[in-house]
Amino acid sequence: AQTVTQSQPEMSVQEAETVTLSCTYDTSESDYYLFWYKQPPSRQMILVIRQEAYKQQNATENRFSVNFQKAAKSFSLKISDSQLGDAAMYFCAYRSKLTFGTGTRLQVTL
Amino acid sequence: GAVVSQHPSRVICKSGTSVKIECRSLDFQATTMFWYRQFPKQSLMLMATSNEGSKATYEQGVEKDKFLINHASLTLSTLTVTSAHPEDSSFYICSARVPDGTDTQYFGPGTRLTVL
Repeated sequence: AQTVTQSQPEMSVQEAETVTLSCTYDTSESDYYLFWYKQPPSRQMILVIRQEAYKQQNATENRFSVNFQKAAKSFSLKISDSQLGDAAMYFCAYRSKLTFGTGTRLQVTL
Repeated sequence: GAVVSQHPSRVICKSGTSVKIECRSLDFQATTMFWYRQFPKQSLMLMATSNEGSKATYEQGVEKDKFLINHASLTLSTLTVTSAHPEDSSFYICSARVPDGTDTQYFGPGTRLTVL
């Protein structure tokens, strides 16, 4: 069975700074997708970024980028130029039948 | 991104009654939808996978007779909580998988169920 681990239950970053959220996973599969989802106070789950395991290039979406280390089974999310609107719970998730991590609550301070 | 709606957003019902929650993919067809439950301050727990035209696949520990799932069309899946009890009170979220081979799911806004 796949497992996803987020070891940081809470993180804080100052506005305009950069923060990295960690995620590790365990799988025996070789081809798969990984996702970061954001859940703001509204509780609407929003897709932040997606990584395909067979692609070596790290995915980027504007201020969001990942550091995907397939051998280490690590999939961290970097948020650059943090904004107040980035404050949310962030969940790392593994492929289609999504296995979610426990989440990291990100606080953004002025 | 793709849009998924969910209705109702909030429902309060009496113990013993049944509640139906609808999940619709608005701008794409979804052969596969998913139903999750989320307890306060916790992650999402997958309850079942809803497949259009066939029976849903339930996760271990989820009572299929209590949580009835119907995926009658490529844009609609429903979850019916039968004979609801206070312990069924929770936040229920649906998602729909985009049929582009990327495993990407888009989520509905969720339904807050309160059973009195």
